[in-house]
Amino acid sequence: QQQVKQSPQSLIVQKGGISIINCAYENTAFDYFPWYQQFPGKGPALLIAIRPDVSEKKEGRFTISFNKSAKQFSLHIMDSQPGDSATYFCAASKYTGNQFYFGTGTSLTVIP
Amino acid sequence: ETGVTQTPRHLVMGMTNKKSLKCEQHLGHNAMYWYKQSAKKPLELMFVYNFKEQTENNSVPSRFSPECPNSSHLFLHLHTLQPEDSALYLCASSQLGAGPQEQYFGPGTRLTVT
Repeated sequence: QQQVKQSPQSLIVQKGGISIINCAYENTAFDYFPWYQQFPGKGPALLIAIRPDVSEKKEGRFTISFNKSAKQFSLHIMDSQPGDSATYFCAASKYTGNQFYFGTGTSLTVIP
Repeated sequence: ETGVTQTPRHLVMGMTNKKSLKCEQHLGHNAMYWYKQSAKKPLELMFVYNFKEQTENNSVPSRFSPECPNSSHLFLHLHTLQPEDSALYLCASSQLGAGPQEQYFGPGTRLTVT
């Protein structure tokens, strides 16, 4: 059973547009939700993370929106840039745990 | 060297070969992980080592054998693999503690089984 479901699989956005990636999770014991960014030839790197006690977290152009009742969270990239073109993974875990459950990834392409 | 390094970066092996993947972390962390990344699939956690002790083995076939000689080094020994084992194998490390276990990933080894 897939613990975290991610959509869309791929996304093409014009420069300056908003990129939105959605994730849903099953296990209500999860209380830590990071997003990882992966460029070709590199491993994933932590981008931004949220805990369920807040509904939104913003870092620069990146925002996580969290809906605890729906068990969903999403990544919004404002003013998308070609340099944001990468694969994005959502994940879920227990805050103090080290077993992460990842989504299937979203390949984002930002067109100049 | 900084961060997490992996060697080799690319590996092609036949189904009867034996090879090993190496991972080294230069971050002073005390937990290390092996993940398998296949196209259109979630990152699959294979093995977890906390303080050099294996704590997780997520139903990984015995043809994959991990080894963690110290907190900085992690190996994945491979033998009699199948074509479906072709994937990107990622190593990661983290610092165990009271907070979230942010995973620091290496660049991966692209494995092709012929």
